[in-house]
Amino acid sequence: LAKTTQPISMDSYEGQEVNITCSHNNIATNDYITWYQQFPSQGPRFIIQGYKTKVTNEVASLFIPADRKSSTLSLPRVSLSDTAVYYCLVGDTMDMGRRALTFGSGTRLQVQP
Amino acid sequence: DAGVIQSPRHEVTEMGQEVTLRCKPISGHDYLFWYRQTMMRGLELLIYFNNNVPIDDSGMPEDRFSAKMPNASFSTLKIQPSEPRDSAVYFCASTQPSGGLADYNEQFFGPGTRLTVL
Repeated sequence: LAKTTQPISMDSYEGQEVNITCSHNNIATNDYITWYQQFPSQGPRFIIQGYKTKVTNEVASLFIPADRKSSTLSLPRVSLSDTAVYYCLVGDTMDMGRRALTFGSGTRLQVQP
Repeated sequence: DAGVIQSPRHEVTEMGQEVTLRCKPISGHDYLFWYRQTMMRGLELLIYFNNNVPIDDSGMPEDRFSAKMPNASFSTLKIQPSEPRDSAVYFCASTQPSGGLADYNEQFFGPGTRLTVL
């Protein structure tokens, strides 16, 4: 399984752009990069997913360099409600029969007013 | 759709008692996952099913844990006997890949069951 490394915590202020970088040096050719968000007392929620270059949706952007050994989740103009734990996952498709996700320790984002 | 439904939301029991957690996946989802989350170990996959069949139970901590999926709309996770170290939040998730390699990465999680074993 490809292992991911991301900062334990980050602090920001409302209205700022937040970038959370994840390292995944052993990413496999067929692996996708996925980010989840988890609020206290809730289950994780899918945010965004990508394979290469840039992906954008209504919530965030995901930047993936050509070597795919890292990725950056970008949250534009964060608000207090973006305070959560953010998980970077790399999908293991070596075994097409497996559908499991491996969660690391995540990055705890604290947004201040 | 109401999303993934889990019950109970909170469970407090005494050591040695049997605990049964329940999950109703999103209708039409063929994959169902059970996860456990603790401060020490984070979010761990316990077991997952495809079309009601257990595919990988390597994450089940020991024989005290068992999971079943008798039909497409219901699954249970049972702990017998329960121990204090089983205290955690247990999440159920489901997904329905449309066929692409990336599809299985988007899972839909339930609200979780917070289990406390005294």
